[in-house]
Amino acid sequence: DTGVSQDPRHKITKRGQNVTFRCDPISEHNRLYWYRQTLGQGPEFLTYFQNEAQLEKSRLLSDRFSAERPKGSFSTLEIQRTEQGDSAMYLCFRDEQFFGPGTRLTVL
Amino acid sequence: GQQVMQIPQYQHVQEGEDFTTYCNSSTTLSNIQWYKQRPGGHPVFLIQLVKSGEVKKQKRLTFQFGEAKKNSSLHITATQTTDVGTYFCGYGGSQGNLIFGKGTKLSVKP
Repeated sequence: DTGVSQDPRHKITKRGQNVTFRCDPISEHNRLYWYRQTLGQGPEFLTYFQNEAQLEKSRLLSDRFSAERPKGSFSTLEIQRTEQGDSAMYLCFRDEQFFGPGTRLTVL
Repeated sequence: GQQVMQIPQYQHVQEGEDFTTYCNSSTTLSNIQWYKQRPGGHPVFLIQLVKSGEVKKQKRLTFQFGEAKKNSSLHITATQTTDVGTYFCGYGGSQGNLIFGKGTKLSVKP
């Protein structure tokens, strides 16, 4: 148990649709990160939050991506107008050590 | 910027053989972490190394951090089929994030 749940675990969508993922730490953690992992690669940093403040964003995070962490607890990651290249595992990460189970996105 | 190279990219071993993966950096690292990802799963934290020359053991796994803090290794003695997966190293980046290598994929033939 890594103390992080993610929903949904799998998402299949058509190109051009919007999708939203949710990350729920079991208890409140100051720092919460989003990573993306494609097949055969290590996790790539997208963004992170210190409480409710989004402190850093990777250049991988295009304008179609937005993340929020209202109230400093759960976080959401939204992708607008999905593209096939967005197909990946989206991982939530807390306390610089623990990954959630991830949301696997497939864009058709 | 900082980059780490993980080698080898793939390793196929016979069960019972030893396995080593290396993580090499061009610059000094403040710390390094190791993760294991089983097929279809998410990366799971194994250990963090902080001190120069540090060696830590977890049963059949031995982790080392080089004296110059530019490289690290993970060694598995007498591999078992349960060791199958991809092993990643990660280090602290300038954005306050953790940066991961591309991993070493280990397969074990029974």
